[in-house]
Amino acid sequence: DAGVIQSPRHEVTEMGQEVTLRCKPISGHNSLFWYRQTMMRGLELLIYFNNNVPIDDSGMPEDRFSAKMPNASFSTLKIQPSEPRDSAVYFCASSSTSGNYGYTFGSGTRLTVV
Amino acid sequence: GQQLNQSPQSMFIQEGEDVSMNCTSSSIFNTWLWYKQDPGEGPVLLIALYKAGELTSNGRLTAQFGITRKDSFLNISASIPSDVGIYFCAGQLPPGANSKLTFGKGITLSVRP
Repeated sequence: DAGVIQSPRHEVTEMGQEVTLRCKPISGHNSLFWYRQTMMRGLELLIYFNNNVPIDDSGMPEDRFSAKMPNASFSTLKIQPSEPRDSAVYFCASSSTSGNYGYTFGSGTRLTVV
Repeated sequence: GQQLNQSPQSMFIQEGEDVSMNCTSSSIFNTWLWYKQDPGEGPVLLIALYKAGELTSNGRLTAQFGITRKDSFLNISASIPSDVGIYFCAGQLPPGANSKLTFGKGITLSVRP
């Protein structure tokens, strides 16, 4: 089991550029979550999907953020245009709703917007 | 909304000491989980608790699910330097109803050699 795979691990981009973060959940998991972590705000849930369908996107900070899950093995989080205040570590996590096993997190993408 | 309270924000202990962390909520949860985050990595599940009153151990870690279902504690015995990290508690409602986890803000643990 390769776990939840996120790419890239690090991303440095200029303000105004589009950024796309990628996630491959654990095979067989049917829920996928995108989190943002900062020192000030801790772990914030941005959006989550059940069976590839977005269930709750109330945590998405603004329209510059969008997420998709075109199939059970892939999801993207896009920021367009990016701003310096978007700098954070973005985590993807997956879980199975058929059991009480919590989430498995990826190693995260550290985004720096300059 | 649901909130989990973890305090203090940081703890400093000497290697070999025991440490206990609490997590409280104003809401009832059906599952309590404890995660640890190492620097540069994502949180990793340490212990999951499924029944009120349950006491579960994993090596030097012991966690309990409070009887009221509104709290949990994690105890680390005989701490070692690799225990350094951020410890998060999380509460979960039943799968199928809402599988979303609610996380606390975490406690950063430092261990002095």
